[in-house]
Amino acid sequence: GEEVAQTPKHLVRGEGQKAKLYCAPIKGHSYVFWYQQVLKNEFKFLISFQNENVFDETGMPKERFSAKCLPNSPCSLEIQATKLEDSAVYFCASSQSGDLAYGYTFGSGTRLTVV
Amino acid sequence: RKEVEQDPGPFNVPEGATVAFNCTYSNSASQSFFWYRQDCRKEPKLLMSVYSSGNEDGRFTAQLNRASQYISLLIRDSKLSDSATYLCVVLSSYKLIFGSGTRLLVRP
Repeated sequence: GEEVAQTPKHLVRGEGQKAKLYCAPIKGHSYVFWYQQVLKNEFKFLISFQNENVFDETGMPKERFSAKCLPNSPCSLEIQATKLEDSAVYFCASSQSGDLAYGYTFGSGTRLTVV
Repeated sequence: RKEVEQDPGPFNVPEGATVAFNCTYSNSASQSFFWYRQDCRKEPKLLMSVYSSGNEDGRFTAQLNRASQYISLLIRDSKLSDSATYLCVVLSSYKLIFGSGTRLLVRP
């Protein structure tokens, strides 16, 4: 499709529970990016993929966050043992290439609330 | 120091006003520059790319000064529908780096 599809739109988890977010990139786009937006508009880069390979994971918290992009499946971002500070909107974006920002299309985001 | 810095605002202006936003970036190796618009924490949408020669799209004009690592956005004849958060964005090392955004409120 011509949009980046993120599911679910909203997710509520108790502290310590697992959260899993999904992103289906635009067909033909080989790059996928995950961003976290907390209050006050701070966007934090988490991880990017080129097809199913991790391209850049410099923004990923090492301990509880993991992500995958497997062939013929939506990409996923998983948070083990969620904490209150994980509450944020998680945006996924896809692009045909990694160096052209005008080709980045963002999904509508998943709002994660940890209570 | 943040890699991309913006005045958070809010800028509260009447309809028809001209408003200017500024942004500075710290990485001189940054490759490309953009303004995005975000409404009520929905997904950011590309407003326009920014070039050293300056570029204009209707009421919007963007300018890049590589020497001083400074980016600007000018909005003329503001409309109510321009109310949003404007994000200065830099492409660096194959990822987008976002400023924290400048909020614009256009009043009737």
